[in-house]
Amino acid sequence: DAKTTQPNSMESNEEEPVHLPCNHSTISGTDYIHWYRQLPSQGPEYVIHGLTSNVNNRMASLAIAEDRKSSTLILHRATLRDAAVYYCILRGYSTLTFGKGTMLLVSP
Amino acid sequence: DAGVIQSPRHEVTEMGQEVTLRCKPISGHNSLFWYRQTMMRGLELLIYFNNNVPIDDSGMPEDRFSAKMPNASFSTLKIQPSEPRDSAVYFCASSPNLYGYTFGSGTRLTVV
Repeated sequence: DAKTTQPNSMESNEEEPVHLPCNHSTISGTDYIHWYRQLPSQGPEYVIHGLTSNVNNRMASLAIAEDRKSSTLILHRATLRDAAVYYCILRGYSTLTFGKGTMLLVSP
Repeated sequence: DAGVIQSPRHEVTEMGQEVTLRCKPISGHNSLFWYRQTMMRGLELLIYFNNNVPIDDSGMPEDRFSAKMPNASFSTLKIQPSEPRDSAVYFCASSPNLYGYTFGSGTRLTVV
């Protein structure tokens, strides 16, 4: 699977939007972009995924660059419960391979 | 739906002892995965099953580790003999179609 690059950590204030970036310059045409998050002392949790078009669900939005070499996970209003490690993962037809992710810190 | 159920939640054992971790996937999910998480190595895939058949066990560290899936509703990960370096959180996940994994809460294993 192609590699992704994410910042090690980001900080946000509660009630503010959060934009979590992910670079994946070697993405192939069949790779889906997946986001998972891991809350403290829990297993990873599916957030959202997309191929080419922007995607929205109840948890977040995924904005995908036109050339697909980068994407951004958007949390519209961060809450303290959103503090977690967020993983950006590219998947073709293989299993999920987790990188180090971005640790999101949310301050009241 | 109770989600993916793992047991035990915590396990403390002495070096050399056999350890068995258990997982009940979500009903109807035909893929099951075992991951291990440590601070040093992050989340690593150990093995995955599709329709109860092991497909890829290349992540299993060594012969001390074995995994079985005797039926669609149960899987075990066994370590025999256990060593302190096996201390980690072990996660089981299931998926209906290789997309959208659902993870269990994990088993925290400490080998002393």
